[in-house]
Amino acid sequence: QVTLKESGPALVKPTQTLTLTCTFSGFSLSTSGMRVSWIRQPPGKALEWLARIDWDDDKFYSTSLKSRLTISKDTPKNQVVLKMTNMDPVDTATYYCARVVGQQLVTEGRYYYYYYMDVWGKGTTVTVSS
Amino acid sequence: DIQMTQSPSSLSASVGDRVTFTCRASQSIGSYLNWYQQKPGKPPKLLIYAASSVQSGVPSRFSGSGSGTDFTLTISSLQPEDFATYYCQQSYGTPRSFGQGTKLEIK
Repeated sequence: QVTLKESGPALVKPTQTLTLTCTFSGFSLSTSGMRVSWIRQPPGKALEWLARIDWDDDKFYSTSLKSRLTISKDTPKNQVVLKMTNMDPVDTATYYCARVVGQQLVTEGRYYYYYYMDVWGKGTTVTVSS
Repeated sequence: DIQMTQSPSSLSASVGDRVTFTCRASQSIGSYLNWYQQKPGKPPKLLIYAASSVQSGVPSRFSGSGSGTDFTLTISSLQPEDFATYYCQQSYGTPRSFGQGTKLEIK
């Protein structure tokens, strides 16, 4: 059974750095093709993709938040860590991590690899306030 | 970055209705389109991947179609548990992106 769980502070002050940990089980980030993403959702608003780390340590970030985000993994511990610097009240949100898997399918006679977030953590709520 | 636009932003329907949600990408994304369902206080749940492949365990009343820039999610006969918010997400380019969501409400 695949599970993911987010952890971190519930409250941070403006300008501080937020550190969130995603602890997972049921899969390994050493497996070829495996990936973990972070997504957030401000209260009453839409989902926003933040970052992704792949099994081969490739890292990808939201364009608008790239300068503030760092994603890393600790494969033996089955953890992915997201750091976000210079927190602001607009960063108040529920932060989710999710497993990303891929599947090869035939489309119009050709093989393509499709990726999707199949299992999500329950999320952790972070409030930014002084 | 690829922008995803969903319409309508909200929709009212009754149990038993057939409902269609629309998602449009700012550039062609082939079939690299996923759909998620989210209920209040819960994480999103994957419904459809690769535009039309139904995730294991998802009821057959859910279906997806489209390619290129225009995609649809259809619920053939609404059930009470289907009232939720639905998001599309492109997996063609990085950074990934979501639509702003369509909230399905009871009429």
